[in-house]
Parts: sequence; structure tokens; C-alpha cells
Amino acid sequence: SQQGEEDPQALSIQEGENATMNCSYKTSINNLQWYRQNSGRGLVHLILIRSNEREKHSGRLRVTLDTSKKSSSLLITASRAADTASYFCATDANSGYSTLTFGKGTMLLVSP
Amino acid sequence: DAGVIQSPRHEVTEMGQEVTLRCKPISGHDYLFWYRQTMMRGLELLIYFNNNVPIDDSGMPEDRFSAKMPNASFSTLKIQPSEPRDSAVYFCASSPGQGPEAETQYFGPGTRLLVL
Repeated sequence: SQQGEEDPQALSIQEGENATMNCSYKTSINNLQWYRQNSGRGLVHLILIRSNEREKHSGRLRVTLDTSKKSSSLLITASRAADTASYFCATDANSGYSTLTFGKGTMLLVSP
Repeated sequence: DAGVIQSPRHEVTEMGQEVTLRCKPISGHDYLFWYRQTMMRGLELLIYFNNNVPIDDSGMPEDRFSAKMPNASFSTLKIQPSEPRDSAVYFCASSPGQGPEAETQYFGPGTRLLVL
């Protein structure tokens, strides 16, 4: 079963607006990652947040992690048409190096 | 670095034929992953290697699927015989396994497989 579940499944906004995507997971983790996938392409790593971190920034991206609620959010500020893509959260198991389990993603459409 | 390289990018074949997908990971990465992506099931891990050794192949759907990594710069995923339900996009990814980006995975562009 999927470890991470993104919400919403789809999001449509206008350029300049902020986009917020959420991810919930079930078991304890070492870290949580967010990836982006443009149509017809492979996934691209965006940001990693560790279980002892609460918030992390990278350019226009802001990620939060609430381990007590087993949830994370990805905020894209001042969105651009080029941000149109699917966004996935990925979690690992809380034991050494492990594989990632990906959610089914949020499809973001940013209209000019 | 050119990133993870996969070939072919597209493959159309008939049911029963053998399909071989190829991957060249990023040089110096210790881990290699094979994923399958479909609309219904999302992104599924099929198998992964550490230093060319298969670690976990529990995601391989059937004995028709096999994967090898003969050296650090090459891996193959083979389906024999192929079936229409194998139609999907297959991704290869690699990961350093150490250092500050140990857990970050770098994906190839994928192979879009259609089995008729």
C-alpha cells in the first residue's frame, strides 16, 4: 500500500498565486522528499526534510513536516506556468538506508 | 554528468516478445532502482541494487521479469514473455548512498512500453 498520500489529487490556479499540496503518511520516517514530474519526463528531486526538521525553504518552495500528525505540506509561492507538473511526496522507512515509497501525486496546473 | 540514461525511450512490441530495457546510472552512485509507473498503481519499486548486488526484488511482479547489473555503469530489466498488462513507463533511478545527498534519487527519462 502507498505510504504517502497527496492531497488534493489535482489543483488548478492562476499564475502568481500560491499552491499548497499536502502529504500524509502512515509509519515513522527518517526523511520525506518532494519530487516534481513534468509530463513525459522523469521525476526531479525538489527538497528533502528530515524527521527532526519542521520547516525548510528552497527558493520559492517551502516544506513543512509535522511528525506528530504524520503529514507534510509543500507550498509553491508566486507560481508560474512552468510549475505545471505533478508533485509527489516520498517517504522512507525509519531504519537505516531504505527505499522510497511514493504517493500518487498532485497534478498542478498553473494558467497564465 | 549526463544524468541517468535510459534506452530505448519508446518501445512497442507484440505480446509474447522479449523486451529489454537499459539503464546507465550516474557515475559514482551506489544504488540503482527500477520503477514502473501506471495511472492505476502509480510509481512502484520493482527492484534495487547496491554496488551491483540485487538487494530487494520483492516488487518484481512475476518470474517474467528479471533484472541484472553486471557492472557499476549498466543495468537491464528484461520482460520475457511480455504481456499487454506490462504496458507502462519504466524508470531507472540512481542514488549516491552516501554524503549529504545520500537518499536523493535521480531519475532517468523513462522508457514508455506498449505491449500489443
